[in-house]
Amino acid sequence: ILNVEQSPQSLHVQEGDSTNFTCSFPSSNFYALHWYRWETAKSPEALFVMTLNGDEKKKGRISATLNTKEGYSYLYIKGSQPEDSATYLCAFSTGYSTLTFGKGTMLLVSP
Amino acid sequence: DGGITQSPKYLFRKEGQNVTLSCEQNLNHDAMYWYRQDPGQGLRLIYYSQIVNDFQKGDIAEGYSVSREKKESFPLTVTSAQKNPTAFYLCASISSGQSYNEQFFGPGTRLTVL
Repeated sequence: ILNVEQSPQSLHVQEGDSTNFTCSFPSSNFYALHWYRWETAKSPEALFVMTLNGDEKKKGRISATLNTKEGYSYLYIKGSQPEDSATYLCAFSTGYSTLTFGKGTMLLVSP
Repeated sequence: DGGITQSPKYLFRKEGQNVTLSCEQNLNHDAMYWYRQDPGQGLRLIYYSQIVNDFQKGDIAEGYSVSREKKESFPLTVTSAQKNPTAFYLCASISSGQSYNEQFFGPGTRLTVL
């Protein structure tokens, strides 16, 4: 079973702070790296799917980078807002059809 | 709207009983997945199906069974053989069975064994 590590486990920031999380995964047999946002009482929603080393993706104030050679991805949130409060999941794939998820980083943004 | 529905939202079961969780999608997706979440754990794959009438075991398939008779439906049965069935169950789908496509998730079912 593959091991996907996310850090920190949880984070509490003030509105307006910028923050970042880390996802570490095995660097061999890389196929794809996913980031999902999971708000309380809702379904997880995809933020990014990245497949190429050096990929950088952006959606509004949220961006992500990927380093497949060293096996990590960073998720950045610029100017955090209370509505960014959620659990952020990272998932990794070595093959065709399945993902291995990390335990997530729980973000709380206080007004 | 297109999406994934799961029912029921909450389910209570007595020990020794089998129970079936429903998952339906109208996204015309080929592949469907069942995950389990426990406190402090990541989502763990139970079963997945890439095509009708075919499915594969995930990492924690023991004590579970599935069927895929229709493209839009992928029910999960939690059998009495599952030692610790109390958990939150999520269903997901992908347009094709390629893991570079994003997964779409249902709202989940919380199962409690009394």
